[in-house]
Formats: sequence, structure tokens, C-alpha cells
Amino acid sequence: AQSVTQPDIHITVSEGASLELRCNYSYGATPYLFWYVQSPGQGLQLLLKYFSGDTLVQGIKGFEAEFKRSQSSFNLRKPSVHWSDAAEYFCAVGAQSGGSNYKLTFGKGTLLTVNP
Amino acid sequence: DTGVSQDPRHKITKRGQNVTFRCDPISEHNRLYWYRQTLGQGPEFLTYFQNEAQLEKSRLLSDRFSAERPKGSFSTLEIQRTEQGDSAMYLCASSRDTGELFFGEGSRLTVL
Repeated sequence: AQSVTQPDIHITVSEGASLELRCNYSYGATPYLFWYVQSPGQGLQLLLKYFSGDTLVQGIKGFEAEFKRSQSSFNLRKPSVHWSDAAEYFCAVGAQSGGSNYKLTFGKGTLLTVNP
Repeated sequence: DTGVSQDPRHKITKRGQNVTFRCDPISEHNRLYWYRQTLGQGPEFLTYFQNEAQLEKSRLLSDRFSAERPKGSFSTLEIQRTEQGDSAMYLCASSRDTGELFFGEGSRLTVL
């Protein structure tokens, strides 16, 4: 069964600083990988996804993530954080079943606080 | 896309009552999913529909839970005889066959 570990429950950064959120996954084959962001009381918004190909993927809002098969990792990065980035971030792995990714398994999330 | 719509956004009920949530997916999406999210946790998979067929149910979905998607469009999730442990955010998502999931804003259930 697939699983996702987000080692950092809460991260605080200063506005303008760089950010890296860690994600490690467990899956028996090539995974589909996702990062979602969730603001308080809201649903989840997709930041970026990895299906295949280039291991460095670009997403919305200036985020990027790098798939490293050897480390089973898919860390999320942003060079300069804005106050509006404060939210909870979830990494997810999708099961490749019939070519779809219908059964996402999420990590427990990392809460990002941005100090002015 | 008008987005995934969920109703109601917030439901407060007393233990033992039945509740029903509705999800309207993005119109051209044939796949629909229900997830549950409790405080401090990531969303957990509950069930999945392809068109009107319910193809998988999680063990999290006890006999008190039932989901339907009668015409392959909107879906309902009913919880019978609610318990305090059912308090959570219930998230609906939809997708095309091989696309990413688009989530609604969720229906928050509080069981007193």
C-alpha cells in the first residue's frame, strides 16, 4: 500500500526567505505525485503534479518540486515566500490503476507560517 | 469550469441524526471521489465513482455511510445515526479519466 510522510508538521519562515517542504513516499511502482495547498476552511488547490518525464516540475504561484526516485522524495520549493503563502500543504501519491490516479493517499500536511 | 460545488458547507447535528451531503462535480468529469479530513490530518479516501458506478469503497466507510451517484452527475453522501467520531470535513473531488483531482470546498460536519 502506498504512503506519504511529511516530516515537518509546522514550519515558520520570514517573508522573502526560501522555502522547502519535505515529502517522502512509499509506492511499489512509478508514482503519480502531487502537492496541494489548503487555506483555512477551504478545499484543496493543486499546486503541481508529477506523472512522468522531467523530474523538476513547475507549478502555480512560483512553486516547484523535484522528484528523486533514489530518495523516494518529492520536495516542494519556492525561492521567495510571500505572506499569502501561509497555508497548509499536502503531498499526495496516486495509485496508477488503469492509467488513472484515482486513489490519492495524502500526507498529514505541513502548516506554513510566514512572518513579516 | 464552474468548479466542484458542495452543499451544505457546514452542518451541525445531534448524535443519532441522519445527514446528507451533496456534491456537484465539474460537468465534463466522469470520475467523482469522496474524502474525509479530520483536524490535523490529510484527507482520507472514502469512495470513488466512475460515471454512476461505485467502483471502490474504503474500509473507513462503515455500514452507516452510503454514497450514490444516480445519473453519473451529482453525488450524495449520507451518514445514518451520526456519531461524534463522524465530525470531520467531507471533501468531494472530480476528474477526467487521467487528470488531476479538483476538490470542492468541503462540507464540515459537527456532531454534538
